[in-house]
Amino acid sequence: EAGVAQSPRYKIIEKRQSVAFWCNPISGHATLYWYQQILGQGPKLLIQFQNNGVVDDSQLPKDRFSAERLKGVDSTLKIQPAKLEDSAVYLCASSLGGNRGYGYTFGSGTRLTVV
Amino acid sequence: AQKVTQAQTEISVVEKEDVTLDCVYETRDTTYYLFWYKQPPSGELVFLIRRNSFDEQNEISGRYSWNFQKSTSSFNFTITASQVVDSAVYFCALSLNNAGNMLTFGGGTRLMVKP
Repeated sequence: EAGVAQSPRYKIIEKRQSVAFWCNPISGHATLYWYQQILGQGPKLLIQFQNNGVVDDSQLPKDRFSAERLKGVDSTLKIQPAKLEDSAVYLCASSLGGNRGYGYTFGSGTRLTVV
Repeated sequence: AQKVTQAQTEISVVEKEDVTLDCVYETRDTTYYLFWYKQPPSGELVFLIRRNSFDEQNEISGRYSWNFQKSTSSFNFTITASQVVDSAVYFCALSLNNAGNMLTFGGGTRLMVKP
């Protein structure tokens, strides 16, 4: 089974520039998550999709972050404009969903450095 | 709101020593799920175990064992006869039994196993 694919692996941008990350979940996984992991901290949920609908985006800084999941498969996360504090690893995860505590499969993440 | 605390930020042991990583959680829900993930230097989060709140039976998998105690809201992880390859950051996480199913992570414990 193919894992969760993310690209790019690394990205360096200047503050106030925009950036986009891409995620392709495991086939058949209805639920997709974007987590932000700042260096030295645990991952924090940014947004959760169930198919192509948003379940939870309460912790997404909507003034600069946006995400979409077209056709309930791939997803993109965008930051515009980026700030220095956005430097982090952005992890995408997918799961079968539902409320049975299924584990998640995480991608390798995109390491963003804002200078 | 739920919370996961990993009080040990960094642990250093010598190879073949046993080591226990502590995890304390907070939730008002009676049904929930607890997880441990390993994050090696490559950055990917590797699933280790999932337990539900109704199953307090301890589990052993090779050199790994987990001790779940609802009375103290703890879900500790022990590595027996540690190896250099065990060096990584370990995260404990909590998920509630709802449609969101999001993971709340602790801050992580960095384990360094020296030869």
